[in-house]
Amino acid sequence: NAGVTQTPKFQVLKTGQSMTLQCAQDMNHNSMYWYRQDPGMGLRLIYYSASEGTTDKGEVPNGYNVSRLNKREFSLRLESAAPSQTSVYFCASSYSELAKNIQYFGAGTRLSVL
Amino acid sequence: SQQGEEDPQALSIQEGENATMNCSYKTSINNLQWYRQNSGRGLVHLILIRSNEREKHSGRLRVTLDTSKKSSSLLITASRAADTASYFCATASNSGYALNFGKGTSLLVTP
Repeated sequence: NAGVTQTPKFQVLKTGQSMTLQCAQDMNHNSMYWYRQDPGMGLRLIYYSASEGTTDKGEVPNGYNVSRLNKREFSLRLESAAPSQTSVYFCASSYSELAKNIQYFGAGTRLSVL
Repeated sequence: SQQGEEDPQALSIQEGENATMNCSYKTSINNLQWYRQNSGRGLVHLILIRSNEREKHSGRLRVTLDTSKKSSSLLITASRAADTASYFCATASNSGYALNFGKGTSLLVTP
């Protein structure tokens, strides 16, 4: 049981390049989330997917797009990377969309935009 | 927006001592959760306390919740070097879809 798997673990981009961060969970969870974590900060929600087929903006969605490909997979795309998007990105999942539930996190993707 | 605020930002203790971290929040909640993050890793859920609970235990962890003061504390008893990590509180509202995380307390436990 792998839990939440994120790929890649590390990535370096040049300003203006695009990339997609992949996330998959094998816990049959309905809801999935993308967060970013910056030094000295807690986690900030970028986008979430309450259930398969739905996505909604979080606190900091600008510059990102997401796709809930199926129940297992939720990807985050940077269309034109900017240095301000240098961060550690975490994917998480939970049984239901309600914030009453525990979230399970992946190991993170460390992204540098030069 | 970040609702939880942990205090202190950093804490350094010796093995065997107790570690206490505090969290304050601003709006009404359904529950409050504590997570641990080891360096370079993802967050791991530790404990959840509901708004109608005042205290909860899990192993060496003790969490209290005071909804009148909008605050919570996490106590780790008999700390070990392996407890070295950042600890985050996260609040869950009755209607919101996401957890609101604080900035975390960095705990260092030295042998």
